[in-house]
Amino acid sequence: AQSVTQLGSHVSVSEGALVLLRCNYSSSVPPYLFWYVQYPNQGLQLLLKYTSAATLVKGINGFEAEFKKSETSFHLTKPSAHMSDAAEYFCAVSERGSYIPTFGRGTSLIVHP
Amino acid sequence: NAGVTQTPKFRILKIGQSMTLQCAQDMNHNYMYWYRQDPGMGLKLIYYSVGAGITDKGEVPNGYNVSRSTTEDFPLRLELAAPSQTSVYFCASSGRQLSTDTQYFGPGTRLTVL
Repeated sequence: AQSVTQLGSHVSVSEGALVLLRCNYSSSVPPYLFWYVQYPNQGLQLLLKYTSAATLVKGINGFEAEFKKSETSFHLTKPSAHMSDAAEYFCAVSERGSYIPTFGRGTSLIVHP
Repeated sequence: NAGVTQTPKFRILKIGQSMTLQCAQDMNHNYMYWYRQDPGMGLKLIYYSVGAGITDKGEVPNGYNVSRSTTEDFPLRLELAAPSQTSVYFCASSGRQLSTDTQYFGPGTRLTVL
């Protein structure tokens, strides 16, 4: 069964600094991979997803992620953090053709002025 | 489109009480899901449905029941509430393929069992 591991339950950055949220997956074949964002007291919202096209995936709000098969990773980055980026971020994985993603435990992004 | 709606937003139950969490979507999605979210644990799938009349258990189904009589609605029933069911519950819906479709989430129901 596939799974994801998000390294770091909390990541703290200064406004304007690089954001790097780590996600490693476990799957026997290249899966579908997703990043979701959850703002306080809201549901999850899809940021971006990898489904087999380009390995560098661009999402909303300036985020992007790169699928690295050799490292089984799908880390989320943003060149310059904004205060409005403070939220919980979830990495998720699903088998190709599946409609049921498995979610990681989440990483809380804290942005300091 | 309203997307995925959930009611109520908040609820406090006493141990042993029952309740139904409502979920509706207006996107004509076949797939619907119920998750629970506990701090530091991510989302755990409770039940899911691939269409009206078809439901199946997820990772943590014990203590819950669901039904899917229409495409739009997917209520979650808690029988004999227990403190372990204190959580935030999210309903979601999607089209058939996660590669081309997006999973949409409702705003959540925060449930406390005392």
